[in-house]
Amino acid sequence: NAGVMQNPRHLVRRRGQEARLRCSPMKGHSHVYWYRQLPEEGLKFMVYLQKENIIDESGMPKERFSAEFPKEGPSILRIQQVVRGDSAAYFCASSLAGTLAREQYFGPGTRLTVT
Amino acid sequence: QKEVEQNSGPLSVPEGAIASLNCTYSDRGSQSFFWYRQYSGKSPELIMSIYSNGDKEDGRFTAQLNKASQYVSLLIRDSQPSDSATYLCAVVAGANNLFFGTGTRLTVIP
Repeated sequence: NAGVMQNPRHLVRRRGQEARLRCSPMKGHSHVYWYRQLPEEGLKFMVYLQKENIIDESGMPKERFSAEFPKEGPSILRIQQVVRGDSAAYFCASSLAGTLAREQYFGPGTRLTVT
Repeated sequence: QKEVEQNSGPLSVPEGAIASLNCTYSDRGSQSFFWYRQYSGKSPELIMSIYSNGDKEDGRFTAQLNKASQYVSLLIRDSQPSDSATYLCAVVAGANNLFFGTGTRLTVIP
């Protein structure tokens, strides 16, 4: 399967715990984007990364959230000290190049539930 | 003002009819426009991209772009019940960001 992969698909955390979401881009893609979708709401951009670089994190909350895309391995979105308001679907997308064309292909998402 | 605006719907059309979905955007400098389909509980799936003014056809789908009016539309011909989904309009604005509308929910009635 050459598509975007995300794991876990479902994640349950208690308030105060840490959540780690992983994303492996499509084969040949080197640009990764993270989005959050709340129920009945649109997709909200969080962060755009290339290998070892954060290009744009303007949509990322200033505290508790961080993202990385190391030279080897998947991109990781990390949420520290989760709160109930973090419950959402988190989608990762990848693209072939960060040009204006920028066709993004989405993974299946991770549904985070904070109890 | 939102970057991308869509009617939330729901939009209901009978099977076999044409479904027309509309989207407006605020950034005049936008160059790239996309339509995604999202089934309930699933991830967005890219169905059309358009970069130039005019129409672009792909099977039963036609995307239309009018940059002067800052307007993008998607037409679905011969609508099928399997087309029932939420359709998301997305626009590249600024240097890097892809902005999504909140989506239009389409129901095709058999």
